Amino acid sequence: RKEVEQDPGPFNVPEGATVAFNCTYSNSASQSFFWYRQDCRKEPKLLMSVYSSGNEDGRFTAQLNRASQYISLLIRDSKLSDSATYLCAGYGNNRLAFGKGNQVVVIP
Amino acid sequence: GAVVSQHPSWVICKSGTSVKIECRSLDFQATTMFWYRQFPKQSLMLMATSNEGSKATYEQGVEKDKFLINHASLTLSTLTVTSAHPEDSSFYICSAPSHRGVLTNEKLFFGSGTQLSVL
Repeated sequence: RKEVEQDPGPFNVPEGATVAFNCTYSNSASQSFFWYRQDCRKEPKLLMSVYSSGNEDGRFTAQLNRASQYISLLIRDSKLSDSATYLCAGYGNNRLAFGKGNQVVVIP
Repeated sequence: GAVVSQHPSWVICKSGTSVKIECRSLDFQATTMFWYRQFPKQSLMLMATSNEGSKATYEQGVEKDKFLINHASLTLSTLTVTSAHPEDSSFYICSAPSHRGVLTNEKLFFGSGTQLSVL
């Protein structure tokens, strides 16, 4: 089983709509979790860290559920510029493991 | 902010040649550097972790004799793909934490990646 699993999609989202996706992890010892945004053939850019209490940054909301071992990302009022691949990542055992990414395509 | 500079951005080479990729930390000392590989529509797969002044730690299934890692200074880590073949064609990217010790927050900085195409 992969350390971090995501449904790659693509997720076709009408502009202005809300999209949400989850990422499951298998390593219960993972200490920290993150969502990254990656554009094609570019380096990942940190979107936000993920906390059990949930955190929000503008139109983006992230949540960690340790009991069920998943993290989630919700994007409200989708913009065309949100089209990208969203990678979840978990840090544990001195390494950062990434999921395959959720490809989001925002449609006008 | 902290920056990791990675070169080259693109490499096209013939099968059998060796390719060196460099990652430099520009305004911090990177005692650790993570090297990832990403195939199209796949996740970033950790290949190895390099540590300044010691041998790199390779992930299971990664051939250490094929992917040579050198981390001779606190600001430079290199990955050499030896005798590259078409199946080695991929996006290679490095990242480094800007502080020592366990990564507990987002202090991880990525290079811009290297797209390797082996003909």
